[in-house]
Amino acid sequence: EAAVTQSPRNKVTVTGGNVTLSCRQTNSHNYMYWYRQDTGHGLRLIHYSYGAGNLQIGDVPDGYKATRTTQEDFFLLLELASPSQTSLYFCASSVRGDTEVFFGKGTRLTVV
Amino acid sequence: GDSVTQTEGLVTLTKGLPVMLNCTYQTTYSPFLFWYVQHLNEAPKLLLKSSTDNKRTEHQGFYATLHKSSSSFHLQKSSVQLSDSALYFCAPNSAGNKLTFGIGTRVLVRP
Repeated sequence: EAAVTQSPRNKVTVTGGNVTLSCRQTNSHNYMYWYRQDTGHGLRLIHYSYGAGNLQIGDVPDGYKATRTTQEDFFLLLELASPSQTSLYFCASSVRGDTEVFFGKGTRLTVV
Repeated sequence: GDSVTQTEGLVTLTKGLPVMLNCTYQTTYSPFLFWYVQHLNEAPKLLLKSSTDNKRTEHQGFYATLHKSSSSFHLQKSSVQLSDSALYFCAPNSAGNKLTFGIGTRVLVRP
């Protein structure tokens, strides 16, 4: 089974604070993704990457930065967190864009 | 870009009854279609997928047939179980780079 590990699993921060969510996959997958999940909106793609050093803009990128430092590691950065970014964040990976996507267990972020 | 519509937000039914979850999509190119399932407090995981027109795909008692003429990929099961209670997402991929998820259909199975 493909492994995607997210940290932290839970995070509380204040409005205006900086947050970094980390994701590591040990599947040798090329593609990595950051999604947010909110009731009534499903899973929405924030950013994704084809490989180390590559970054692609997703469907809801405002307020987020991302960086893919290695094949294994993909980070999501919130530099000025806002309450609207309170959500459940999933990292995921896949071999290609049209193959099965494997998800991590999620990070629940609360911005107060 | 790709888009997907799931018309039912919540489906409530009794154990043993059949279920069908609707999925229609719009894509730029000939698509792959996926169904993902997410149980409570778990991550989404793949249920089944298809790219072949008019061919039924089955997994774990669920089945779906991709109909490109109507841009549909409805998910069905003949007899639901309590363990089928979950959130189900339809997702097309036509450009080969990313999945676009629908808002999901929550299925609640009662005894």
